[in-house]
Amino acid sequence: QKEVEQDPGPLSVPEGAIVSLNCTYSNSAFQYFMWYRQYSRKGPELLMYTYSSGNKEDGRFTAQVDKSSKYISLFIRDSQPSDSATYLCASLRELTGGGNKLTFGTGTQLKVEL
Amino acid sequence: DSGVTQTPKHLITATGQRVTLRCSPRSGDLSVYWYQQSLDQGLQFLIQYYNGEERAKGNILERFSAQQFPDLHSELNLSSLELGDSALYFCASSGGGQGLDTQYFGPGTRLTVL
Repeated sequence: QKEVEQDPGPLSVPEGAIVSLNCTYSNSAFQYFMWYRQYSRKGPELLMYTYSSGNKEDGRFTAQVDKSSKYISLFIRDSQPSDSATYLCASLRELTGGGNKLTFGTGTQLKVEL
Repeated sequence: DSGVTQTPKHLITATGQRVTLRCSPRSGDLSVYWYQQSLDQGLQFLIQYYNGEERAKGNILERFSAQQFPDLHSELNLSSLELGDSALYFCASSGGGQGLDTQYFGPGTRLTVL
């Protein structure tokens, strides 16, 4: 079982729709939770991060974490064609010796259509 | 633009060869991370360096090695290359090595092994 599970999609929605992207994780040692956006053949771009259960909002994006159920969500309001990309959830934990390890889900491919 | 730079953008080589990928972190960042992204494995953590010292290891093959230099740039060396090593290689950087910190990714190097 992978430590971070994510539905690969693809997910296709009309412009203006609310998009819900979800991940689950299994390792209780994860402390930070991130969402990255990756356009085709580009580097992942950090969208949002949070370390506690609850919601965090930034413009059209809302990240939600439920540590009791080990569930991570990203909501995109008023989706735009420019939001078409692969969205990667990731969980970060500190390792023995002080290093960090970021574990990624497989990514969900999103297409927002006109 | 994350501020992380990687060279070269593309690399085509043959099996059995050795290549070196280069990364310059964001100004002021002390930690450098290397990741491999392939279609079947997704984005996998390879190794972390902090201020010149190895801090954490992930799924890095023995044929691969990395180092971080006094000016904080890092190199990933891949030797005895196999077809399966064809992938995108990303470098990321963050401010510190102790504790948790968000990582910012470079544009990647696309390696093709023929």
